[in-house]
Amino acid sequence: DTAVSQTPKYLVTQMGNDKSIKCEQNLGHDTMYWYKQDSKKFLKIMFSYNNKELIINETVPNRFSPKSPDKAHLNLHINSLELGDSAVYFCASSHETLRRVQYFGPGTRLTVT
Amino acid sequence: QQQVKQSPQSLIVQKGGISIINCAYENTAFDYFPWYQQFPGKGPALLIAIRPDVSEKKEGRFTISFNKSAKQFSLHIMDSQPGDSATYFCAASISWNYGQNFVFGPGTRLSVLP
Repeated sequence: DTAVSQTPKYLVTQMGNDKSIKCEQNLGHDTMYWYKQDSKKFLKIMFSYNNKELIINETVPNRFSPKSPDKAHLNLHINSLELGDSAVYFCASSHETLRRVQYFGPGTRLTVT
Repeated sequence: QQQVKQSPQSLIVQKGGISIINCAYENTAFDYFPWYQQFPGKGPALLIAIRPDVSEKKEGRFTISFNKSAKQFSLHIMDSQPGDSATYFCAASISWNYGQNFVFGPGTRLSVLP
C-alpha cells in the first residue's frame, strides 16, 4: 500500500544515454512534482505538474522532460545524460485542495559514469 | 530572493536535550513554512508546518517558532531521542493554481547520542 512509489530505486548508466524514471501515486492526488537532491543533500524542485498546468524550474536543462500518461503517474525522461545529472531524484504528490502537504517517494539514485 | 538559509549544517545533541535548527528567508511572498525529516535512503516526510499568521506551533516534542518581521523561523525538538537522528529540511513555499512549490534549505544533519 505504498503511497508514492518510484522505479527503479537505483540506476547506473553511461554518459550520453537516455533514461526514464517512473513515479506512481495511489493517493488520488492530482498534482505531482519532481525534485533533485544533489550530493550535498540540497533538494531542488524541477517540475510541478497538474493535468491543467506544468511549471518548469527555469534552471532545469531541456534534456529533462516530465511525461504523464494519467493522473496517477508522472515519469521523468532524461536525454543525453551527463555526469552532473548524478543525484537522487524524488517524486512527490499533493492534492489540489490540500496542496500544502506533499508526499515524497523513496527516491531513485541515478549514477552517470 | 528564492533562497532559504538554514543553520547549523550539523548538530550533535545528547539524549534528552533540546535540538534547535534555524532558518531564514527573503521572499515575503512565501506563504507556508514546513519542516521535513529525512532518514537515510528514504524520501523526506512532513514533520510540522506553520503559516505566517501564526507565531508558534507545537506538535508533541516538535515546536516551530516563527518571526515574520525578522523573516526567520526555527524548529525546536524537546527531549531529543536517538530515533530523531535524521536530516531536517526547512522549506518555504508559494502557492500556484494547483500546487505548492517548495524552496528547501540545505538541511541539518542531527545526531542524538544515547
